[in-house]
Amino acid sequence: GDSVTQMEGPVTLSEEAFLTINCTYTATGYPSLFWYVQYPGEGLQLLLKATKADDKGSNKGFEATYRKETTSFHLEKGSVQVSDSAVYFCALSGTDKLIFGTGTRLQVFP
Amino acid sequence: NAGVTQTPKFQVLKTGQSMTLQCAQDMNHNSMYWYRQDPGMGLRLIYYSASEGTTDKGEVPNGYNVSRLNKREFSLRLESAAPSQTSVYFCASSGEAPHSNQPQHFGDGTRLSIL
Repeated sequence: GDSVTQMEGPVTLSEEAFLTINCTYTATGYPSLFWYVQYPGEGLQLLLKATKADDKGSNKGFEATYRKETTSFHLEKGSVQVSDSAVYFCALSGTDKLIFGTGTRLQVFP
Repeated sequence: NAGVTQTPKFQVLKTGQSMTLQCAQDMNHNSMYWYRQDPGMGLRLIYYSASEGTTDKGEVPNGYNVSRLNKREFSLRLESAAPSQTSVYFCASSGEAPHSNQPQHFGDGTRLSIL
């Protein structure tokens, strides 16, 4: 069945460091791919999305490219801030539901 | 614009008690969802409603019931709470059917502990 695999956290970085959070997927058909962010005590918020192969989603300095050949959708940011500390979820639109990865916690220190 | 509103935010129950989690959205969305979030397991879909008047089981429906009261409201009921149902529950909504490319909008969650 469809599935999403994310790198385990926590990811700990200093402010202004480069961020990569890996996400790979298994799916039949051509799903859309999403990154959601969850700040402490809040629900999930859509961060970015891509609907077809080679699409790049971007928002708030974050980027992710839909790579069909490697079945990946890695999240990147060139310079993280303390305010980016949160849990990040990769997700895909499966045949009958939205499928989430287990989440990756990012901690950014000054 | 409130978006998706969940009540209550926190609740403690004893094993065997019942309760209903409320969810309302003001975005005129057709589809609504209930998830539970447990450490290390991401989000798991409990039930969803593709449109007013319809409900369908998700990945983990056992022990739960739902009601799509109208287009705005989608409630989740625990008839006889069990400790395994201790979790954070999220309601979400989206504009179109569950299988579309539209993103889901989430409430802030209900933190439920069952003793």
